[in-house]
Amino acid sequence: DVKVTQSSRYLVKRTGEKVFLECVQDMDHENMFWYRQDPGLGLRLIYFSYDVKMKEKGDIPEGYSVSREKKERFSLILESASTNQTSMYLCASSFAGNQNIQYFGAGTRLSVL
Amino acid sequence: DQQVKQNSPSLSVQEGRISILNCDYTNSMFDYFLWYKKYPAEGPTFLISISSIKDKNEDGRFTVFLNKSAKHLSLHIVPSQPGDSAVYFCAASLYSGGGADGLTFGKGTHLIIQP
Repeated sequence: DVKVTQSSRYLVKRTGEKVFLECVQDMDHENMFWYRQDPGLGLRLIYFSYDVKMKEKGDIPEGYSVSREKKERFSLILESASTNQTSMYLCASSFAGNQNIQYFGAGTRLSVL
Repeated sequence: DQQVKQNSPSLSVQEGRISILNCDYTNSMFDYFLWYKKYPAEGPTFLISISSIKDKNEDGRFTVFLNKSAKHLSLHIVPSQPGDSAVYFCAASLYSGGGADGLTFGKGTHLIIQP
């Protein structure tokens, strides 16, 4: 079974803190994605990566950055957390040959106070 | 501007009946469509998909219909079972296979199956 693991299920941070959300997949997938899910807005793509050290902006990249130093790990970074970044963050991965079938982690619920 | 729309936030269906979830899209460049299912405290899981060159795809109790001229797709679940109670997300992609790009998701429909 494909496993996508997000390091924290719940996280509480203060405004202005630098926040790291970590995601690891064990299926040697080329592609990795970060989404956020908000009530009434569905899932929105923040960033994605199709290879090590490669990254592409999604629909809402402002206030975020990412890092992919190893194939299995994709980190989402909030440089200076703000209250409007309180959300559920979902990581996903997929094969390059079938990028639409994405496998998701269970999510990290981040609260910024 | 929302490119994938699910206009029903929730839907209640009796067990054993047919559930029909609807989705509309505005971008005619979308080439591939998917449905994902999400239970509370879990990530979404892939359910079924359809390429833009087809108008129907069936997998067991689940059938997806695509009407390109109307930019509309629907997911039919028959018969509906209690385990089908979940949030269903419609998603669309510009690419049918390889490469890398994110999916564009709708807001989701919460399906509730009543015993």
